Amino acid sequence: DTGVSQDPRHKITKRGQNVTFRCDPISEHNRLYWYRQTLGQGPEFLTYFQNEAQLEKSRLLSDRFSAERPKGSFSTLEIQRTEQGDSAMYLCASRWTSGYAGELFFGEGSRLTVL
Amino acid sequence: GQQVMQIPQYQHVQEGEDFTTYCNSSTTLSNIQWYKQRPGGHPVFLIQLVKSGEVKKQKRLTFQFGEAKKNSSLHITATQTTDVGTYFCAGPSQGGSEKLVFGKGTKLTVNP
Repeated sequence: DTGVSQDPRHKITKRGQNVTFRCDPISEHNRLYWYRQTLGQGPEFLTYFQNEAQLEKSRLLSDRFSAERPKGSFSTLEIQRTEQGDSAMYLCASRWTSGYAGELFFGEGSRLTVL
Repeated sequence: GQQVMQIPQYQHVQEGEDFTTYCNSSTTLSNIQWYKQRPGGHPVFLIQLVKSGEVKKQKRLTFQFGEAKKNSSLHITATQTTDVGTYFCAGPSQGGSEKLVFGKGTKLTVNP
């Protein structure tokens, strides 16, 4: 399968614990994005990378959130000291800058439940 | 900040009926994209519109971009059960940002 891959697909954790999500984008894509989606809402932008550089972060991304893309391939999104309000679907997406302008390829998401 | 609004929030139709969802942006957009998310699935890109007044068709789906590039619509002719899902429009944030601002979506259910 050559689509965007996310792991884990589901995570249940207790409030205060740390969680990490991984995203493997489509291999030739140099841009990688993280979005968050809650029930009944559209995806909300969190951050994006071009290659290994994190070029934009949303104000939604509090200091408990950190994202990395160390070698310009896969990315991780870590949430420290989780809160119940962090419960959401975390979506990763990728695209190639010189490809079909704007089209994002989304992964199947990592669903986080904070108890 | 920039807002993208969609109406209706929900639409229930009988199979074979037509369906339309409308999208309005608080700011002029350089382009607008439409995505479909099946129940339990992830958003899948449908189309991007760039030009003022642009109309594009994909089989039973017709997409329009308004003359002022602030609104858009998606029309489905003769809905089928496979059309079930939530349809989102999304526009780029201003100032050269890579951020896409999504509407809340229109959830379509189709009664067979």
